[in-house]
Amino acid sequence: KAGVTQTPRYLIKTRGQQVTLSCSPISGHRSVSWYQQTPGQGLQFLFEYFSETQRNKGNFPGRFSGRQFSNSRSEMNVSTLELGDSALYLCASSLRSGQAEQYFGPGTRLTVT
Amino acid sequence: QQQVKQSPQSLIVQKGGISIINCAYENTAFDYFPWYQQFPGKGPALLIAIRPDVSEKKEGRFTISFNKSAKQFSLHIMDSQPGDSATYFCAASKGGATNKLIFGTGTLLAVQP
Repeated sequence: KAGVTQTPRYLIKTRGQQVTLSCSPISGHRSVSWYQQTPGQGLQFLFEYFSETQRNKGNFPGRFSGRQFSNSRSEMNVSTLELGDSALYLCASSLRSGQAEQYFGPGTRLTVT
Repeated sequence: QQQVKQSPQSLIVQKGGISIINCAYENTAFDYFPWYQQFPGKGPALLIAIRPDVSEKKEGRFTISFNKSAKQFSLHIMDSQPGDSATYFCAASKGGATNKLIFGTGTLLAVQP
């Protein structure tokens, strides 16, 4: 079974731009969660989607948004990029929502200049 | 109350030795505790997880010990190998229909040959 895939793997953007990251979960998995990883703040939960509905949201500004499609693929969008948004963005998929085993993708490395 | 405190920040162990990483939490609503292993340039990989109704869980060389009254849990890596050199994260999740994980700050393990 293929693992979680994330595209693109690397991205360089300029302050003020917006960016869209994509995540394809493991086949059959219906829950997708997004995390931001930085050296200073560690791994922080952004949001979780299950069956196209946002189940939970972390403490991030409204510039961070996401959605999930009927095939469980998910996208996250960051608008008006700031230098502090430079991070590794990780997607995790699981069968269900509720303390399910989560499997992470390799991440998208976003650099904002 | 949402934090998970992890120690030590870094650890050096000789090949064949036992690596021990500790985590503590405050929120008694947490009832799912996974450990993740992350190599440079990769996403975190689920190692082993435990729920509070069990005091210990073992999978191969990896063991989680859980002390509910002390609100602490730890990862033991027996017969540590150079290939175990990675960053290890503990995490916690509350009950209910959410996969949101609160992560510890990570422990960088180096196993010397």
